[in-house]
Amino acid sequence: DTGVTQSPTHLIKTRGQQVTLRCSPISGHKSVSWYQQVLGQGPQFIFQYYEKEERGRGNFPDRFSARQFPNYSSELNVNALLLGDSALYLCASSPGAGEQFFGPGTRLTVL
Amino acid sequence: GQNIDQPTEMTATEGAIVQINCTYQTSGFNGLFWYQQHAGEAPTFLSYNVLDGLEEKGRFSSFLSRSKGYSYLLLKELQMKDSASYLCAVRDEDYGQNFVFGPGTRLSVLP
Repeated sequence: DTGVTQSPTHLIKTRGQQVTLRCSPISGHKSVSWYQQVLGQGPQFIFQYYEKEERGRGNFPDRFSARQFPNYSSELNVNALLLGDSALYLCASSPGAGEQFFGPGTRLTVL
Repeated sequence: GQNIDQPTEMTATEGAIVQINCTYQTSGFNGLFWYQQHAGEAPTFLSYNVLDGLEEKGRFSSFLSRSKGYSYLLLKELQMKDSASYLCAVRDEDYGQNFVFGPGTRLSVLP
């Protein structure tokens, strides 16, 4: 049984660039959530998508956007990268409103 | 607003028992979760409480008091592999049933 997968594993960008992170949920799960985890802190909620519609949004600027595809995979886009965007980006899937299962994350470094 | 508090660091000895406390203030409480996160890895689910009381799961137990906004995670018969960060998270209806995470407690188990 395949868990949540994310790509890429690591990414290095420079300030001002744009980045796209990808997530594939567990088979049968229709909900995908994105979290940002800065080193030494707990994850911070960014977005949730369920059945391709945005169900929740955290306190992040409009530079952050996301979408969900018909196969329930998801992309997180971040524009105009800042140094402070350096973090581990976690994707979590769930069948609905229950327990969330986390992927391995994408570590983004902004130079 | 939402606020979750945990001790930053704890140290315990192999074979001992340790209790990690979590206090929370959220407007749309709908369950409390504990996750374990080893360095550089994704969080993995440990336990879930939605009603007051104790939930036991092998060496791990979790307690919840909704009236006090308080939970703890109890780890028994500590092993070296239990060295990790432990994240307290509240599922919040005001965030589309997504999780508000605490800062995490870094536990070091010493021989």
